[in-house]
Amino acid sequence: GQSLEQPSEVTAVEGAIVQINCTYQTSGFYGLSWYQQHDGGAPTFLSYNALDGLEETGRFSSFLSRSDSYGYLLLQELQMKDSASYFCAVRDGTSGTYKYIFGTGTRLKVLA
Amino acid sequence: DSGVTQTPKHLITATGQRVTLRCSPRSGDLSVYWYQQSLDQGLQFLIQYYNGEERAKGNILERFSAQQFPDLHSELNLSSLELGDSALYFCASSGTSGSENNEQFFGPGTRLTVL
Repeated sequence: GQSLEQPSEVTAVEGAIVQINCTYQTSGFYGLSWYQQHDGGAPTFLSYNALDGLEETGRFSSFLSRSDSYGYLLLQELQMKDSASYFCAVRDGTSGTYKYIFGTGTRLKVLA
Repeated sequence: DSGVTQTPKHLITATGQRVTLRCSPRSGDLSVYWYQQSLDQGLQFLIQYYNGEERAKGNILERFSAQQFPDLHSELNLSSLELGDSALYFCASSGTSGSENNEQFFGPGTRLTVL
C-alpha cells in the first residue's frame, strides 16, 4: 500500500539548521509536497518537488530523490515561529486515478 | 488569510445526525479538496472536485458525500454521524487540476464535535 514515514518530533535551538526526512512508498509518484501547520491553524504550502534535486525558497529548502523514494525539508536559521508541525505529502497515482497522501507529521520544537 | 472560506467554524451535533460543511474556494480556483484531521493525526484526503466534477477520491466513507456547484463552492455532507467522526475538516483549493505544482490553499477548517 501507499505510505509516508517521517519522524514524529524534532527539537533544535534558535539559529540552528534542522532536516526533516520523509520516505514514501507509492506506485504512481507525481511529486512530494511539504506543508507547515501551527497549532490550531490550517496547513500552509511550503514547497513541491517533482524532479530530483534541491528547491530553495528563502530559509527553507526541499530535496527529492525519486530513486531512493526519499525527500527532506531543510530549515535554516531557525526562529521560534518555526515551531510547528511539518507534513510531507504525495500525489499518488495508482489504480488509474490518484489521491493525496499526507504523512503523520513532524512536530518541530525550536528552543531559545 | 488563504482566501478560502469555510462555514461553520464549529459544529456540535449528536450521533446519527447529518451535517453539511460549506467551502468557498479562492477566487478563480477550480479545484476543491476535502480533508479530515483527527486529534493529533495527519490529514486524511477525502475527495477532490475540479470544475464541478469529481477528480480524485481518497478513503471517504459511504456515509460522506460531496459536490461542487456551478459557482465552484463545495459542500461536504456527513450523515449517520458517529463519535469517531469528530475531527477538524479542512477544505483546500488550487488553480489547477492537480497535475502541476500541487500547491493547495487551505481554509481555516470546521471543527465538528459529535456527542
